[in-house]
Amino acid sequence: DQQVKQNSPSLSVQEGRISILNCDYTNSMFDYFLWYKKYPAEGPTFLISISSIKDKNEDGRFTVFLNKSAKHLSLHIVPSQPGDSAVYFCAASAPLDSNSGYALNFGKGTSLLVTP
Amino acid sequence: DSGVTQTPKHLITATGQRVTLRCSPRSGDLSVYWYQQSLDQGLQFLIQYYNGEERAKGNILERFSAQQFPDLHSELNLSSLELGDSALYFCASSGTSQGEQFFGPGTRLTVL
Repeated sequence: DQQVKQNSPSLSVQEGRISILNCDYTNSMFDYFLWYKKYPAEGPTFLISISSIKDKNEDGRFTVFLNKSAKHLSLHIVPSQPGDSAVYFCAASAPLDSNSGYALNFGKGTSLLVTP
Repeated sequence: DSGVTQTPKHLITATGQRVTLRCSPRSGDLSVYWYQQSLDQGLQFLIQYYNGEERAKGNILERFSAQQFPDLHSELNLSSLELGDSALYFCASSGTSQGEQFFGPGTRLTVL
């Protein structure tokens, strides 16, 4: 049961333009959301996160927006650069039980290609 | 470089065998997480340890087990291996119980 969904397997954007990556979730208990970037043969690299008490978080060229009522978040990259080409994973976490485990639930990823 | 190390990088073995994957977390991180990434799948959470104690379990098979040692490194043991266990296995660590997790480079397991 996929609780975090990234419905676009791939996205192609021109250099300098905005890249918008989308993510939907089904579990209303999720209270922390993250985006990871992954290059081939490497582990995922943390990019940016947002708590459910916020609706926007910005870090340089990267902004994450959270719409709790729609259970939707998005990652905006402005301006996009060729080096941003990678697979982007959306992840969400919620307290698992009284022992406070915090596993990440990942989407299947969106492959972003930024062309010169 | 995330500061999380995993060994070995690649592992090729046969069905029915047992293997051990090793992970060293970032300096100071008490939480270690194990994830499996199969073909066409996102990362699936397996298990979490916090300061030596099991904290949370995901869809981990009974044939799989893990432990975290006093020096905080962790090992994931996979036994009675099947073809379907072929995957990338990632370890991650974090300093706080909820927060960013930092991933190692992964171990690619191939079961023939």
